[in-house]
Amino acid sequence: GAVVSQHPSRVICKSGTSVKIECRSLDFQATTMFWYRQFPKKSLMLMATSNEGSKATYEQGVEKDKFLINHASLTLSTLTVTSAHPEDSSFYICSAIFNRGTNYGYTFGSGTRLTVV
Amino acid sequence: GQQVMQIPQYQHVQEGEDFTTYCNSSTTLSNIQWYKQRPGGHPVFLIQLVKSGEVKKQKRLTFQFGEAKKNSSLHITATQTTDVGTYFCAGPREGGSEKLVFGKGTKLTVNP
Repeated sequence: GAVVSQHPSRVICKSGTSVKIECRSLDFQATTMFWYRQFPKKSLMLMATSNEGSKATYEQGVEKDKFLINHASLTLSTLTVTSAHPEDSSFYICSAIFNRGTNYGYTFGSGTRLTVV
Repeated sequence: GQQVMQIPQYQHVQEGEDFTTYCNSSTTLSNIQWYKQRPGGHPVFLIQLVKSGEVKKQKRLTFQFGEAKKNSSLHITATQTTDVGTYFCAGPREGGSEKLVFGKGTKLTVNP
């Protein structure tokens, strides 16, 4: 249980184009989805928090107009990288909170490796 | 600001040797979580520790949460090649947030 499906897993796009990444919670409802960015051999950097039915909240230094987030339903959140440039090349991962008995943790999507050429 | 520090950054072991990674927070944490990320993969939740001094075991993995709830450790007994990956600790951002602050991770490689 608590699976988040993320697509696409890899995408190569031309500089200046936009790329949409989808994350779906398959067997639970995710009112909140977190979007991370991970550079090679680095830790996870939180970019933004998406909330179903309301505006996303962005971390300091993250351009909201560049990284558009939509959380239209309890099972779907999307991140669109607009006018992508080579410096946007990275590994993007979504995650959502799950509850499992007395534990709670974060389940992650499988990630999207974006390469902008 | 709040920081979660992890050491060592890298660890190379021979198969069968033990491995430990340490996590230290600049602030008291309500809970600490551990994740494993295989090469090319995504982080996978391992465990959450909540209580001061808590110790939890998962087969060869032993997780501890310090008495002051500011540090934690993950110990693997008799490592196997399947243990290869980067282990991250993470704690809630201060202020009661659901957002996590991740350590930089410890990358474990195991020589067969």
